[in-house]
Amino acid sequence: SAVISQKPSRDICQRGTSLTIQCQVDSQVTMMFWYRQQPGQSLTLIATANQGSEATYESGFVIDKFPISRPNLTFSTLTVSNMSPEDSSIYLCSVDYSGETSGEQYFGPGTRLTVT
Amino acid sequence: AQSVTQLDSHVSVSEGTPVLLRCNYSSSYSPSLFWYVQHPNKGLQLLLKYTSAATLVKGINGFEAEFKKSETSFHLTKPSAHMSDAAEYFCVVSAARMGEYGNKLVFGAGTILRVKS
Repeated sequence: SAVISQKPSRDICQRGTSLTIQCQVDSQVTMMFWYRQQPGQSLTLIATANQGSEATYESGFVIDKFPISRPNLTFSTLTVSNMSPEDSSIYLCSVDYSGETSGEQYFGPGTRLTVT
Repeated sequence: AQSVTQLDSHVSVSEGTPVLLRCNYSSSYSPSLFWYVQHPNKGLQLLLKYTSAATLVKGINGFEAEFKKSETSFHLTKPSAHMSDAAEYFCVVSAARMGEYGNKLVFGAGTILRVKS
């Protein structure tokens, strides 16, 4: 299985500012994903990030608010822009490392964001 | 479209008694199904997965799940609960299409398992 790290692990930010979250994987993977877990809720996919192409966003998420970079096969960033208290969530990256058709994914430890 | 319904938001059991966490799914084609566990302040961990092989799937820590196509269910069970099993459990369906991989996961709302001593 993949070893996935995220930075920062947590942060407290002022509204109107932006935060960039980093996701590092210990081996090359084609597909990386970013999820949001709002307080007391389940995970929702924000976007799929493939190296060498634009990220694909899910309904309700836009690039201006959540720009994503995927410069290589082991790294990705998610930026939460112009933050408001409603953006307070845990943000998780995941990878499909298995290469199987099942869609099995491994998750990073998450970044806990609080916006004041 | 794929969707998952976890029938109980909270389940409470006594240590040493069986655990049953219920999950129903909806999928346009043969799904891949997973159970993930999230312990407090820890990351998500894959418990087990079903990918059209054996319908009874065994996972880590003594958990298992049975895929029942006729009932569109994928319930998670464990014969004897341990205090360390207290966590939130997510039933997940993959939107992967046949012949593709790495597609998005659709999560259920989660079931919080409490284990009483």
